[in-house]
Amino acid sequence: RKEVEQDPGPFNVPEGATVAFNCTYSNSASQSFFWYRQDCRKEPKLLMSVYSSGNEDGRFTAQLNRASQYISLLIRDSKLSDSATYLCVANSGYSTLTFGKGTMLLVSP
Amino acid sequence: DADVTQTPRNRITKTGKRIMLECSQTKGHDRMYWYRQDPGLGLRLIYYSFDVKDINKGEISDGYSVSRQAQAKFSLSLESAIPNQTALYFCATSDSSTRARHEQFFGPGTRLTVL
Repeated sequence: RKEVEQDPGPFNVPEGATVAFNCTYSNSASQSFFWYRQDCRKEPKLLMSVYSSGNEDGRFTAQLNRASQYISLLIRDSKLSDSATYLCVANSGYSTLTFGKGTMLLVSP
Repeated sequence: DADVTQTPRNRITKTGKRIMLECSQTKGHDRMYWYRQDPGLGLRLIYYSFDVKDINKGEISDGYSVSRQAQAKFSLSLESAIPNQTALYFCATSDSSTRARHEQFFGPGTRLTVL
């Protein structure tokens, strides 16, 4: 069974802090990777796709390490509104996605 | 706005009842998916469809069936609901014609409780 593993947290950080999440994937055939954000009892929303070269979107930076099969998400200058669960996702090779169970982030004043 | 909608948003039913959850999308996407989410277990794929004539079982299809009535509509049925099917159900879509074909977009979810 193809797995995506994440630390469930919660990560408790103060506003303005930098926080990083890692996840590992077991399917070496995976080609596409994503981070989704999910607020409590809401639908997951795509935060960013993860490219081989790494990519940045404002305060968010995603990195992919294919050799070690892990993906990271870095959030700089945390805001209260960043409090959510972050889902690490890899495609399964059959055009479906495998979701990690999520990492909870709590940003406090 | 192009969107993914789900009906009903909340449903409480009794063991043994037949339940249908509906999903509609105005995104023009060809691919549609049904997931369930349980605390501590994450999102798990139930069924998926790559076009109107295509239906595929996901990780946890037992006890469920689906119908792809049109490109924009994908229904999930519980033929005889049981309490362990109590969960949050999400529909999602993706567009195979784009480079970002694996990106999925989710509906708001249906909270189902089986008593």
